[in-house]
Amino acid sequence: ETGVTQSPTHLIKTRGQQVTLRCSSQSGHNTVSWYQQALGQGPQFIFQYYREEENGRGNFPPRFSGLQFPNYSSELNVNALELDDSALYLCASSFPRGLAYGYTFGSGTRLTVV
Amino acid sequence: DAKTTQPPSMDCAEGRAANLPCNHSTISGNEYVYWYRQIHSQGPQYIIHGLKNNETNEMASLIITEDRKSSTLILPHATLRDTAVYYCIVKAQDYGQNFVFGPGTRLSVLP
Repeated sequence: ETGVTQSPTHLIKTRGQQVTLRCSSQSGHNTVSWYQQALGQGPQFIFQYYREEENGRGNFPPRFSGLQFPNYSSELNVNALELDDSALYLCASSFPRGLAYGYTFGSGTRLTVV
Repeated sequence: DAKTTQPPSMDCAEGRAANLPCNHSTISGNEYVYWYRQIHSQGPQYIIHGLKNNETNEMASLIITEDRKSSTLILPHATLRDTAVYYCIVKAQDYGQNFVFGPGTRLSVLP
């Protein structure tokens, strides 16, 4: 079975631009979560999607938005990029209604805002 | 804020057991203890989880104290590839909640 795949792996954007990051969940997983990890810190929860609807959100402004598609893949969109948005963005998927084996994380997208 | 406290860093000799402690004194009755690790430039990797009984899998063992206020992750024979940041997380097994990561413990396995 395939794991969680994220694209692109690296990205450089200019302050004020918009960016879309993509995630394909592990086969059979219908719940997807996004995390932001600044350098030297642990990942911080952005939001979660379950059956194409947002199902929980962390302390992030509305310019962070997302989508989940019928095949359970997901997108993270960030508008009006700020320098502090530079981070590793992680996608994680899980089995429905349970975390018997926890989340499976992708390798992330490294976003640099200049 | 994370509900766990871990030492910021630890060293371990290659081939020896690595014992990583975690304090979670405010853990609730329905919360599990999860351990993940993150090798440089990769996403976190699931290691093990447990509720109150000790657990073992092919990667590690998890020892949870009887009062559940602390736990220890044991890597029985550490290798250089076990060098990583290890995160201890407490969380209810509910898909509506999410992991709250602290800064973790940076384990360095030395040759």
